[in-house]
Amino acid sequence: EVQLVESGGGVVQPGGSLRLSCAASGFTFDDYAMHWVRQAPGKGLEWVSLISGDGGSTYYADSVKGRFTISRDNSKNSLYLQMNSLRTEDTALYYCAKAYYDSSGYYAFDIWGQGTMVTVSS
Amino acid sequence: DIQMTQSPSSLSASVGDRVTITCRASQSISSYLNWYQQKPGKAPKLLIYAASSLQSGVPSRFSGSGSGTDFTLTISSLQPEDFATYYCQQSYSTTFTFGPGTKVDIK
Repeated sequence: EVQLVESGGGVVQPGGSLRLSCAASGFTFDDYAMHWVRQAPGKGLEWVSLISGDGGSTYYADSVKGRFTISRDNSKNSLYLQMNSLRTEDTALYYCAKAYYDSSGYYAFDIWGQGTMVTVSS
Repeated sequence: DIQMTQSPSSLSASVGDRVTITCRASQSISSYLNWYQQKPGKAPKLLIYAASSLQSGVPSRFSGSGSGTDFTLTISSLQPEDFATYYCQQSYSTTFTFGPGTKVDIK
């Protein structure tokens, strides 16, 4: 069964740091790009970051650029998000998601984890 | 950056109704448009990719259409399990913007 399981969320003070993890199973992890997407309480979905299958390319939303770092360890089938200089507006449920590509080059997020909650509060 | 809008923001419908949700991009995104369904307390689920391609396992009552800047998601006959929030998303650029969502609830 294809599965993604996030962990590492919690409560942190503004300015603090947190590292999220996402454990993947049921597919060849290094064949696929991976994403982080977040959802503030009662709000919509916001894309956060993307990493290529080999880890060589990364992309970030402007709202987290310079503060968050996405990485992966293909030997451990794991995805990470290092979050520094956290702000109250980073409070959200963070999902990891697997990239899906079809034969024509179209792209979507086909597998999602259950999410891990990050609360930034003093 | 590409902005995505959806209309309506919410709607009330009955089981068996035909439901249409509209998504608009701020610039042309060809057919790089996806639709997701999210139920309360659950992760989003991919329904439609490439504007009109049904993801494996998704019921055929869901369909998508459009290209360029204007897109629609149609549920041909609403079922009880379809009450949820629906999001569009562009995959044309690496900002992967989502629309604000359309909540479908029971009339």
